[in-house]
Amino acid sequence: RKEVEQDPGPFNVPEGATVAFNCTYSNSASQSFFWYRQDCRKEPKLLMSVYSSGNEDGRFTAQLNRASQYISLLIRDSKLSDSATYLCVVTRDDKIIFGKGTRLHILP
Amino acid sequence: ETGVTQSPTHLIKTRGQQVTLRCSSQSGHNTVSWYQQALGQGPQFIFQYYREEENGRGNFPPRFSGLQFPNYSSELNVNALELDDSALYLCASSASGWDTEAFFGQGTRLTVV
Repeated sequence: RKEVEQDPGPFNVPEGATVAFNCTYSNSASQSFFWYRQDCRKEPKLLMSVYSSGNEDGRFTAQLNRASQYISLLIRDSKLSDSATYLCVVTRDDKIIFGKGTRLHILP
Repeated sequence: ETGVTQSPTHLIKTRGQQVTLRCSSQSGHNTVSWYQQALGQGPQFIFQYYREEENGRGNFPPRFSGLQFPNYSSELNVNALELDDSALYLCASSASGWDTEAFFGQGTRLTVV
């Protein structure tokens, strides 16, 4: 079992829809949590840090549930420009672990 | 533009050869991490350097080694290249610590034939 698991995807959703990404991590000692976005043939870029209290940035909301070892990302009113791969990232001790990523296609 | 630059952008090597990839970190950043990303996979953490010392390593064999210089630029060296080493190699710099944003370079595409 991989230490960070994400929905396999791809997700194909119409423009304007709400999309939810799920991520689970297996090591309870994990310390910091992030969502990164990676466009095709581009480098990953930080989308949001994730906190237990939850955080929101415009159309994007991230949640962390330490008891369930679960991280989520919600995108509301999706835009064509949201099409990308979304990567869940967890840090632990001296390691940074990326999930495999979930590809999102927003359909016009 | 993240301010993180990697060179070369593309490289073709023969199995058994050695390769050195380079990364210039963003100004003010003292931490550099290296990742290997195979097609269709998330980046896999190779190692991290903080102020010229390795301070974290993923599950990669010793033939993957690195350096960080006083100006915080970095090199990734891979010896005895194998076909499975073909991937995109990403470098990321951050201000410090494990909970700060990492800024990625555009990567070096390595093909081993």
